[in-house]
Amino acid sequence: SAVISQKPSRDICQRGTSLTIQCQVDSQVTMMFWYRQQPGQSLTLIATANQGSEATYESGFVIDKFPISRPNLTFSTLTVSNMSPEDSSIYLCSVEEQGTAYGYTFGSGTRLTVV
Amino acid sequence: QKEVEQDPGPLSVPEGAIVSLNCTYSNSAFQYFMWYRQYSRKGPELLMYTYSSGNKEDGRFTAQVDKSSKYISLFIRDSQPSDSATYLCAMINNRDDKIIFGKGTRLHILP
Repeated sequence: SAVISQKPSRDICQRGTSLTIQCQVDSQVTMMFWYRQQPGQSLTLIATANQGSEATYESGFVIDKFPISRPNLTFSTLTVSNMSPEDSSIYLCSVEEQGTAYGYTFGSGTRLTVV
Repeated sequence: QKEVEQDPGPLSVPEGAIVSLNCTYSNSAFQYFMWYRQYSRKGPELLMYTYSSGNKEDGRFTAQVDKSSKYISLFIRDSQPSDSATYLCAMINNRDDKIIFGKGTRLHILP
C-alpha cells in the first residue's frame, strides 16, 4: 500500500495565524483526501484534491478557510487559515488504497492546537 | 438519527478474551463495510473490509455484516495488548461513494 508522509506531526499556533500541512505520497495517485478528526467525533472529510483542478469541498468547509494545493500526483497541502481554538484538531491526508475496492490509506496526521 | 453509531468506549478486556466491537447504521444503501485500527498518534489503518452481508475472517479477526439488522461487528480472538487501539467502522453507499466513519471505540487489552 501507499506510504504517506505528513508534516508537521504537531504544532501549537496562535489564533489568527495560518498553518500549512504537507502530504507526500510515495506513488502517483489521482485523488487525495483531507480529513479532520476532532476529539470524540467521526473522521470528517474536508475536501478532495485532484491534480490539475480545484479541490472539491464538503458541506461546511470553504476554500477561504481551508485552501488546498495539488501541484502534482504525489503531493498536496492543506492550509488552515485565520485559526481559532475551534480549529484545534487532528488533520489527516488520505489516498485510495491500491488493490481494495474502497480502502483508504492515511497519513499519521497533524495534531494542531490553537491557543 | 446519525448515519453510523458506534459506542466510543473505552472497552477494557483481559488479554486472551474475545472482543466484540459493533456499529449500527441507518442507511440501507451502504454496501461496503470496513474496519480501521488507529493507534495513538497514528492515522487509521485498514484492517478488514467486506462487501454486503456475511462473514470474513483474517487471522484472529472476523468481520460480520448483518444488513437486515443494519449491524456490523468485528471480533478479535485471543486478544493481545498490542490490539489496544481505537477501532473505527466505516461504510460506503453505492449511490455517491461517500465514506462515513463511526466515532471509534477505544479498546484496552489488559495484560
